[in-house]
Amino acid sequence: DQQVKQNSPSLSVQEGRISILNCDYTNSMFDYFLWYKKYPAEGPTFLISISSIKDKNEDGRFTVFLNKSAKHLSLHIVPSQPGDSAVYFCAASLTGNQFYFGTGTSLTVIP
Amino acid sequence: DGGITQSPKYLFRKEGQNVTLSCEQNLNHDAMYWYRQDPGQGLRLIYYSQIVNDFQKGDIAEGYSVSREKKESFPLTVTSAQKNPTAFYLCASRTLGGFDEKLFFGSGTQLSVL
Repeated sequence: DQQVKQNSPSLSVQEGRISILNCDYTNSMFDYFLWYKKYPAEGPTFLISISSIKDKNEDGRFTVFLNKSAKHLSLHIVPSQPGDSAVYFCAASLTGNQFYFGTGTSLTVIP
Repeated sequence: DGGITQSPKYLFRKEGQNVTLSCEQNLNHDAMYWYRQDPGQGLRLIYYSQIVNDFQKGDIAEGYSVSREKKESFPLTVTSAQKNPTAFYLCASRTLGGFDEKLFFGSGTQLSVL
């Protein structure tokens, strides 16, 4: 059973606008959440993370929001750039022993 | 440069053949992981190891085997019992303890069946 879900397989955004990628999870015990970016035939690279004790974490153009009551997190990219075009995976961890990944959202930033 | 090295980049398996995917890390990480990615699916955990000579099954361990004889190395063997081995395989590692819990990934191995 999928514990981490990304319900939007794809997203297209104009360059300079905001990209919002969403992720839902089912296990309220998850305590650490991460976003990874992945290009085809390459390994995922870490983007940003957030602990369950926070509701927001920001790093440059990337901000992750966590809504524990809704079991929802989102990644905001502002402004979006063509180089941001990739597949984005969210992941959740329970005490860091295992990491559960969503199915990914393919972001296309249109120049 | 520190990192995770997976080899080969591409691998072909014949029917009934066992193949081994290599994963080496020089990050001095304690834990190592193997994930499988299929088109349209997320990363699914095959095996993980938190210490030398110990490892645990993940969600899809059937048809796979691993060993952890050295801290730096975590090879994955895809056995003939794995009936659908075609996938992109990713090795990852992380340190244990501290505040940096993120996984670091290798560049992956694409396994195909001839």
